[in-house]
Amino acid sequence: EVQLVESGGGLVQPGRSLTLSCAASGFTFGDYAMHWVRQVPGKGLEWLSGISWNSDDLDYADSVKGRFTISRDNARNSVYLQMNSLRAEDTAFYHCAKGVSGGIAARPGDSWGQGTLVTVSS
Amino acid sequence: DIQMTQSPSSLSASVGDRVTITCQASQDIDNYLNWFQQKRGKAPELLIYDASNLETGVPSRFSGSGSGTDFTFTISSLQPEDITTYYCQQYDSLPYTFGQGTKLEIK
Repeated sequence: EVQLVESGGGLVQPGRSLTLSCAASGFTFGDYAMHWVRQVPGKGLEWLSGISWNSDDLDYADSVKGRFTISRDNARNSVYLQMNSLRAEDTAFYHCAKGVSGGIAARPGDSWGQGTLVTVSS
Repeated sequence: DIQMTQSPSSLSASVGDRVTITCQASQDIDNYLNWFQQKRGKAPELLIYDASNLETGVPSRFSGSGSGTDFTFTISSLQPEDITTYYCQQYDSLPYTFGQGTKLEIK
């Protein structure tokens, strides 16, 4: 069974940094692209970033480009989201999601983690 | 970016009703469309991919159709456990954008 478990969320002041982790199990992690999607509580879904199986292909939403960095460690079956210069509008649940193959252009989202809440506030 | 216009934003229906949600893309996305169900406090769950393919294990009362810019998601006979929120998502081109969501309520 595919399992994705996010961690690293919490309360952070505006302008500070935070790194989220997503631990994967139940599949051959190194074969698949991974994505981060966020959801403001009570609101809709926003795709943020994707990374290919070998980290060669990365992409970001304009809303986080230049501030957030996605990375992965296939030996640790984990994907990360480093978030810098955080703003109040970054407050959301952050979910990782699995792609159906190795490239980020492939269909995303066949499995999701429950999410970790990031609150940006002074 | 491709804009996904999902409608209605909310819908009241009775158990046993046929329910239809639409999603319109701002440009041709072929059939690169997912439909997700999200229950309160839970992660989204994939129901339909490639616009019309039922994900493994998903009940057959759920279906999807369409290609190009216009898509439809249907629940043939609404069950109590279906009362929640649904989203479409295009994956034709990055960034992968979502519709605004449709919240189903009991009439």
